[in-house]
Amino acid sequence: DAKTTQPNSMESNEEEPVHLPCNHSTISGTDYIHWYRQLPSQGPEYVIHGLTSNVNNRMASLAIAEDRKSSTLILHRATLRDAAVYYCILRDLRANNAGNMLTFGGGTRLMVKP
Amino acid sequence: KAGVTQTPRYLIKTRGQQVTLSCSPISGHRSVSWYQQTPGQGLQFLFEYFSETQRNKGNFPGRFSGRQFSNSRSEMNVSTLELGDSALYLCASSRTTGPYYEQYFGPGTRLTVT
Repeated sequence: DAKTTQPNSMESNEEEPVHLPCNHSTISGTDYIHWYRQLPSQGPEYVIHGLTSNVNNRMASLAIAEDRKSSTLILHRATLRDAAVYYCILRDLRANNAGNMLTFGGGTRLMVKP
Repeated sequence: KAGVTQTPRYLIKTRGQQVTLSCSPISGHRSVSWYQQTPGQGLQFLFEYFSETQRNKGNFPGRFSGRQFSNSRSEMNVSTLELGDSALYLCASSRTTGPYYEQYFGPGTRLTVT
C-alpha cells in the first residue's frame, strides 16, 4: 500500500488559514486521497476526499499536486474547534478486498492559538 | 439524522473475562467497521462487516471476533481479555463499501482491563 507522511504537529492562530501537508510519493493512479480528523475525546470525522482535481466542501479544501505526490488540506479560517489530529489516508479504487478499511498513520496534531 | 451509537461508552473488565461491545450504524448504512485505538499503536483496523458478512479482517488474534445482524447493527467480542486490550474501540459505518464513500465514526467504547 502507498504510504503517507505528515508532520507530527503544527500550530496556527485562530481565524488564520491553515495548510496541512501530506506527502504520498508512491501514490498510484487509482488511490483516492482522504482526510479525516479526530477531535479530543471523539471518534474520527470525515473531512474531504479527492482523486485528481482540487475539492471544496463546507469544512475545508483539498489541493492536490499535479503529479499527485502530495496534497494539502486547507482550513480557510481556523477556529479553536479545529484543534484536532488530522489524518491523510490513501484508499485504492482497485483494492476491492480492502473494503472500507482505513489505514491510519500518526497524523498531524493541529494546535490553534486564540 | 442520528449518528453512530456505541454501547456501553465505558467498561471495566478483569483479565481473563470476555466482553461484548455494540454498534448501531446510521440508518441505511450497510457497512460497519471496527477499530482499536491505543496510545502506542494508534488507530488499527479490526474488521469490517457488510450485509452480515465479514469483508476484511485486520491483524488481530482470534480472540477478537464480530458479527453483524440483519438490521446492520454489529457487535464485537473479545474473549480472554489481556491487559493490552485496554483501548478505545471505535465503530464506523458507511452507506456501502468502496473508496468513494466516507465513513462515520461513533464516540467509541473505552475498555479498561485490570
